[in-house]
Amino acid sequence: SYELTQPPSVSVSPGQTASITCSGDKLGDQYACWYQQKPGQSPVLVIYQDNKRPSGIPERFSGSNSGNTATLTISGTQAMDEADYYCQAWDSVVVFGGGTKLTVL
Amino acid sequence: EVQLVESGGGLVQPGGSLRLSCAASGFTFSLYWMHWVRQAPGKGLVWVSRIKSDGSSTNYADSVQGRFTISRDNAKNTLFLQMNSLRAEDTAVYYCARETVGVTTELDYWGQGTLVTASS
Repeated sequence: SYELTQPPSVSVSPGQTASITCSGDKLGDQYACWYQQKPGQSPVLVIYQDNKRPSGIPERFSGSNSGNTATLTISGTQAMDEADYYCQAWDSVVVFGGGTKLTVL
Repeated sequence: EVQLVESGGGLVQPGGSLRLSCAASGFTFSLYWMHWVRQAPGKGLVWVSRIKSDGSSTNYADSVQGRFTISRDNAKNTLFLQMNSLRAEDTAVYYCARETVGVTTELDYWGQGTLVTASS
């Protein structure tokens, strides 16, 4: 079965750029998306079709996808961005990455 | 405003059954594929199942195939998940989610989730 691999944790200082990767075999050949989940809340879609932002998602969130890796980038990271982030792709079924805890310190 | 409201969770003994519901509002329910996603306590998101807009096609994760059944009532704007032969490892918050219209499978709206606990 298809697997997506994310680092368990990423740390970033406020105002700096955070990058979260998602690796999968030939992931760049399909679309990837990203969700943000804060403690006690439901997931929120922050990036879809590799690099598009849904309405209401700040411009500091961006995405890319090439080769075997999709990347979520948060520019000018704020304390409110501290959350778990999950990538997602499709391989006849929906597949989620294991999630990355972003710490802003 | 799009709303998805799950219900039906609770405590059930291993081997038991439970039926989850997800009431949809604020959009034309019958036009959208719908999904169930679960999250065990302290763990990540795991996809469970999806159903086509008209109910004619379904998919399941291997871990629930043959035990869970997804269905929908478009007249009542409601999604269901019938869970049989529940196991301790099925303990999780279950979310219903809407798939965007188009060629990709991202989930653009999620409910608040309902907790299912399979324990004796």
